[in-house]
Amino acid sequence: KAGVTQTPRYLIKTRGQQVTLSCSPISGHRSVSWYQQTPGQGLQFLFEYFSETQRNKGNFPGRFSGRQFSNSRSEMNVSTLELGDSALYLCASSFAPGEEYNEQFFGPGTRLTVL
Amino acid sequence: AQKITQTQPGMFVQEKEAVTLDCTYDTSDQSYGLFWYKQPSSGEMIFLIYQGSYDEQNATEGRYSLNFQKARKSANLVISASQLGDSAMYFCAMREFDYKLSFGAGTTVTVRA
Repeated sequence: KAGVTQTPRYLIKTRGQQVTLSCSPISGHRSVSWYQQTPGQGLQFLFEYFSETQRNKGNFPGRFSGRQFSNSRSEMNVSTLELGDSALYLCASSFAPGEEYNEQFFGPGTRLTVL
Repeated sequence: AQKITQTQPGMFVQEKEAVTLDCTYDTSDQSYGLFWYKQPSSGEMIFLIYQGSYDEQNATEGRYSLNFQKARKSANLVISASQLGDSAMYFCAMREFDYKLSFGAGTTVTVRA
């Protein structure tokens, strides 16, 4: 069974540009969550999607957005990039939210560098 | 307030010995879940072990065991018989009612031969 895949793995952008990251969950998983990992702030929750609907959102500015498609694949977009957006962006998938035990399987991440 | 506290930024352990990674949490929820993940230098988060708030037995998964002390709000990870491949960053995380995962700052474990 294929794991969570994220593309691209590495990305270099300049300030002011926008970027779109993609995440394909494990087959059968319908919930996708996104996290940002930086040395200073650690791992922070961005948002979670289930059945094409955003169920939860972390404390990030509106420049961060996402969506989920009918096949459960998800994309996140960051507009007007800032230097501080440089981070490892991790995607995690699970069967569905709302269960007491709901293991999230993480992808390898996309490392974004903003110059 | 921090929901997950990991007080050990880094630890060294001799191969084949056991190591305990500390984790304390803060929640007012009655139902919650506690997770430990391993993150090698490659960046991928690898699930290790889960403990539900209502589970009476401590969780075990192979060489990993979770020492769950609910009254003290602690969920320490014990890695037995350490191997060189255990060298990585370890994160404690908690899921509360809103299903978001809150992570601690992590502990770097270095296993020495």
